[in-house]
Amino acid sequence: EAGVTQFPSHSVIEKGQTVTLRCDPISGHDNLYWYRRVMGKEIKFLLHFVKESKQDESGMPNNRFLAERTGGTYSTLKVQPAELEDSGVYFCASSQPPTSNQETQYFGPGTRLLVL
Amino acid sequence: AQSVSQHNHHVILSEAASLELGCNYSYGGTVNLFWYVQYPGQHLQLLLKYFSGDPLVKGIKGFEAEFIKSKFSFNLRKPSVQWSDTAEYFCAVNALRADKLIFGTGTRLQVFP
Repeated sequence: EAGVTQFPSHSVIEKGQTVTLRCDPISGHDNLYWYRRVMGKEIKFLLHFVKESKQDESGMPNNRFLAERTGGTYSTLKVQPAELEDSGVYFCASSQPPTSNQETQYFGPGTRLLVL
Repeated sequence: AQSVSQHNHHVILSEAASLELGCNYSYGGTVNLFWYVQYPGQHLQLLLKYFSGDPLVKGIKGFEAEFIKSKFSFNLRKPSVQWSDTAEYFCAVNALRADKLIFGTGTRLQVFP
C-alpha cells in the first residue's frame, strides 16, 4: 500500500511569488489534513478535509492560503503571494473514517518551503 | 485551548542508556494520545498510540508509553536506546473523533555509540 505522498519535496521561491503544494493521500482515506512546522516550533494544524469538503479550516493563517480537494482525492495548498514567514515544512496526513473514536493519521514526507 | 508540552528539547544519550521523554497535555476531556517519530531524512511515523484500555502502551522498536490520567501525562520510555533511535520525537493529542492533532514542540534525541 502506497503511503501519503507530497510534491514537491522542496521549494525555494521569492517573496511575492505563488507556490502550490500537492498531497496525495492513501487510497481510500476520506480524511486529509494539512499541517505546518515553522522552524523550531511545533507542528501546527492548518485544515481538515473530509472527502472534498472542508471540515475545519481554523488553522489557516490568512487568506493568502487556499486549499482545495477536488473530487475528494488529492489536495493542493496554494500560497499566494508568499511571505517570508510562510517558510517551513508543510505536512499532509490522511486517515480512514474511524469506526470508533480511534483514528490514526498517516503523514507524508513534507514539503520544505523556503521564501526568500 | 488544548496544548501539549514536551519538556526535553534536546536529549543526548549513549547507547544502552535508558530513555524517558516527558509529555504533558492540557485538556479536560477524553483524549487520544500519540507519539510520532521522524528519523533523519524520513517522514513522520507513528511510534505508538493510546485510545483506551491498558494505560501502558507498547509500540514499535521497543518503545512504550504510559498514560497517567491524573497527571495529564503520556511519557515515552525505552529501557536501552540504540544509535538508530537518533530522531526527533513528537507527542500529540486529539480530543474528538477524526479531529486535528495538537503537537508538542518535539524532542531531538541523539544517541552516540
